[in-house]
Amino acid sequence: NAGVMQNPRHLVRRRGQEARLRCSPMKGHSHVYWYRQLPEEGLKFMVYLQKENIIDESGMPKERFSAEFPKEGPSILRIQQVVRGDSAAYFCASSPTQRTYNEQFFGPGTRLTVL
Amino acid sequence: GESVGLHLPTLSVQEGDNSIINCAYSNSASDYFIWYKQESGKGPQFIIDIRSNMDKRQGQRVTVLLNKTVKHLSLQIAATQPGDSAVYLCAESSSGGSNYKLTFGKGTLLTVNP
Repeated sequence: NAGVMQNPRHLVRRRGQEARLRCSPMKGHSHVYWYRQLPEEGLKFMVYLQKENIIDESGMPKERFSAEFPKEGPSILRIQQVVRGDSAAYFCASSPTQRTYNEQFFGPGTRLTVL
Repeated sequence: GESVGLHLPTLSVQEGDNSIINCAYSNSASDYFIWYKQESGKGPQFIIDIRSNMDKRQGQRVTVLLNKTVKHLSLQIAATQPGDSAVYLCAESSSGGSNYKLTFGKGTLLTVNP
């Protein structure tokens, strides 16, 4: 059973470009979570999605960031007009259900570098 | 604001010794705690979890202790091995509608010397 897959593993963008990060959850998992890990900081929750629905995006910056989890295909985290402060590791996690005690399985992350 | 933090940012031990990694939390509503291991360049890997109605839980070579009175969590690793070298992250969530939202500490870097 393959784990959570993320691609690309490394992404370099120039200021003003768009970044698209992809996440395929574990087989059988319908809940996806995105976290961001800035240098010298802990992981911060960004958004929680189920298929075709955004459940909680309270951790997403108000501008330039969006996320989706379509009926078919991976979840996408999209960052428009990237700035240097967006440089970070972005992790996706998945779970089979939203249980009260919620073990989330993490992917290897995408390391975004903005030049 | 509510946070989860770590007492020691780095810990260096000799192979075969026991390791203790500590974590403090401030949210009195926290009722689920998880320890993750994060190796360089990889995502967090689940180690062990504990619910607030427990004060101790054991896994393979690992034990998690929870002291709700002082809001303190610790991870004990027995007979530490070089492969245990990594950053250890504690995380918590609260019961209720946002129980999926994990709050992480910054982590403790464990280095195991052969």
